Amino acid sequence: GNSVTQMEGPVTLSEEAFLTINCTYTATGYPSLFWYVQYPGEGLQLLLKATKADDKGSNKGFEATYRKETTSFHLEKGSVQVSDSAVYFCALTPTSGSRLTFGEGTQLTVNP
Amino acid sequence: EAQVTQNPRYLITVTGKKLTVTCSQNMNHEYMSWYRQDPGLGLRQIYYSMNVEVTDKGDVPEGYKVSRKEKRNFPLILESPSPNQTSLYFCASSSRGQGIRNTEAFFGQGTRLTVV
Repeated sequence: GNSVTQMEGPVTLSEEAFLTINCTYTATGYPSLFWYVQYPGEGLQLLLKATKADDKGSNKGFEATYRKETTSFHLEKGSVQVSDSAVYFCALTPTSGSRLTFGEGTQLTVNP
Repeated sequence: EAQVTQNPRYLITVTGKKLTVTCSQNMNHEYMSWYRQDPGLGLRQIYYSMNVEVTDKGDVPEGYKVSRKEKRNFPLILESPSPNQTSLYFCASSSRGQGIRNTEAFFGQGTRLTVV
């Protein structure tokens, strides 16, 4: 079956540091890939997505590139802010269908 | 405003006492689903619905029921809750229009359930 694996957390950074959260997946065919963010006390929101190999999703300074050869979709940001503190989930939907499969989530804390 | 509304946000109940968590969306979405979130396990799908009167099991359906009598509502029912169902629950909806694979899922704010 499909699965998503995220780097172990939590991650603690200082403001303006570079962020990478690793995500790898297992799926047949050509899944769509997503990063969702969960701010404290809220539901999940879509952060960015990519639907085919070599696509780059970007939003709010975050980026992730769909790498089919390494089955990865790592999240990056060049300079994090305190307001980026949240839980980040990598997810996929299969070639056919809408069902989301999530990774474990990575807690990010950014200190001033 | 497009939204998914869950109620209640917090619930403490006793083992065996039936409860329902409501979920409603105002975006005319066909696809709705329920997830539970547990530390170290991410979100796991409980049940989903492709449209009215069409529901199916997700990864962890045991102990839960759902119904989809109207397009906008998708309640989650725990007939006899047990402590291992203590968790954070999320309802989500998405469109099944063109580009089904690419549609964004919208999530409710969550229901924190404690079963004692």
